[in-house]
Amino acid sequence: QQPVQSPQAVILREGEDAVINCSSSKALYSVHWYRQKHGEAPVFLMILLKGGEQKGHDKISASFNEKKQQSSLYLTASQLSYSGTYFCGTPTSNFGNEKLTFGTGTRLTIIP
Amino acid sequence: GAGVSQSPSNKVTEKGKDVELRCDPISGHTALYWYRQRLGQGLEFLIYFQGNSAPDKSGLPSDRFSAERTGESVSTLTIQRTQQEDSAVYLCASSPTMASSNTEAFFGQGTRLTVV
Repeated sequence: QQPVQSPQAVILREGEDAVINCSSSKALYSVHWYRQKHGEAPVFLMILLKGGEQKGHDKISASFNEKKQQSSLYLTASQLSYSGTYFCGTPTSNFGNEKLTFGTGTRLTIIP
Repeated sequence: GAGVSQSPSNKVTEKGKDVELRCDPISGHTALYWYRQRLGQGLEFLIYFQGNSAPDKSGLPSDRFSAERTGESVSTLTIQRTQQEDSAVYLCASSPTMASSNTEAFFGQGTRLTVV
């Protein structure tokens, strides 16, 4: 079962902040975040591995709450280049032969 | 190669015809995924190959869809008797190891399939 993302879409003015949430009904062992620009392939942003782990990439950071089975992606002082669709991905288990299942996506539009 | 390569980049086919999509993963990557992305939609899992293990075919939508992979190299996704609902971008991704929990997936540019 795929993880659920919220919101489905958000429009921001340049410089504003955004939070994208990803939750699962199943236990999460790690969470991947990817960004896909229009007409392009998804590109990796980061992986969070441990419960409570936080990571940052430029002004994009994320947290992972293993107990709550959810992760959040934070975009601070958004730039025009942040526009795109953000996907979270979760392995189905922490053992071998796991597959990567992606959430429903959040379309982020940054306007000047 | 430098990245995941997919061919063709675009394919227009008539309803009822068979199509074959190809994916060349990054050399040495044992894991390979196929996803389908309909216009404006998310990434729908189709099939997953990991080394010599039996593939996870749980995402294939019907028996018209099949995929093969030779060892840890090229994979082909075949759609038989194509329907208009099959129109989508088909994305391939590869990953270095079977434990995708701590390795990223690298995506190809996709094949845009249009069934007319």
